[in-house]
Amino acid sequence: SYELTQPPSVSVSPGQTARITCSGDALPKQYAYWYQQKPGQAPVLVIYKDSERPSGIPERFSGSSSGTTVTLTISGVQAEDEADYYCQSADSSGTYNYVFGTGTKVTVL
Amino acid sequence: QVTLRESGPALVKPTQTLTLTCTFSGFSLSTSGMCVSWIRQPPGKALEWLARIDWDDDKYYSTSLKTRLTISKDTSKNQVVLTMTNMDPVDTATYYCARSDVEQQLGLDYWGQGTLVTVSS
Repeated sequence: SYELTQPPSVSVSPGQTARITCSGDALPKQYAYWYQQKPGQAPVLVIYKDSERPSGIPERFSGSSSGTTVTLTISGVQAEDEADYYCQSADSSGTYNYVFGTGTKVTVL
Repeated sequence: QVTLRESGPALVKPTQTLTLTCTFSGFSLSTSGMCVSWIRQPPGKALEWLARIDWDDDKYYSTSLKTRLTISKDTSKNQVVLTMTNMDPVDTATYYCARSDVEQQLGLDYWGQGTLVTVSS
């Protein structure tokens, strides 16, 4: 089955930049989405269609795409950004089923 | 204001069938492009997409779980129901429902708070 691969963890100091990658063969053909999940809470959409930011999401969150890899960048990381982050896309094999990445824990040092 | 809320049993026994209901407001599943998905998350693990039902009643299922899942909707009640058969302890998870719009492609933009289902005898 189709998989999206993320690094298990990323550590960053406050004010620095965190970059989280997500790799998948279908990403050149399907949009990617990013979700932030804090402990005990439901996920929150932070990036849609590779690089668009929903209203209410801080400008320090941005997304980009290059080939089979998409990247979530958090510029000027704040303590409140410590959370799990998941990419999500769709399988382009014909089923167009949704799939989530393996998840990345962002730790603010 | 869009809201979704999951409801169902907190505890099921192995081999039983789980039935979960997602009750939503602020949008209609008869509107072109609208969809509702079910996603689960075992304790301490990653999100796993399970199923989706679209405004036109098209249904999509996780390849690995499709033999056990059935998704349906009642547009008049603003509800989506997921059934999962032959429950096992590994199915213990928080189950979420979430909305998406496949025409606008905005992602899973609204989520319920989730409901924890424990599978144990």
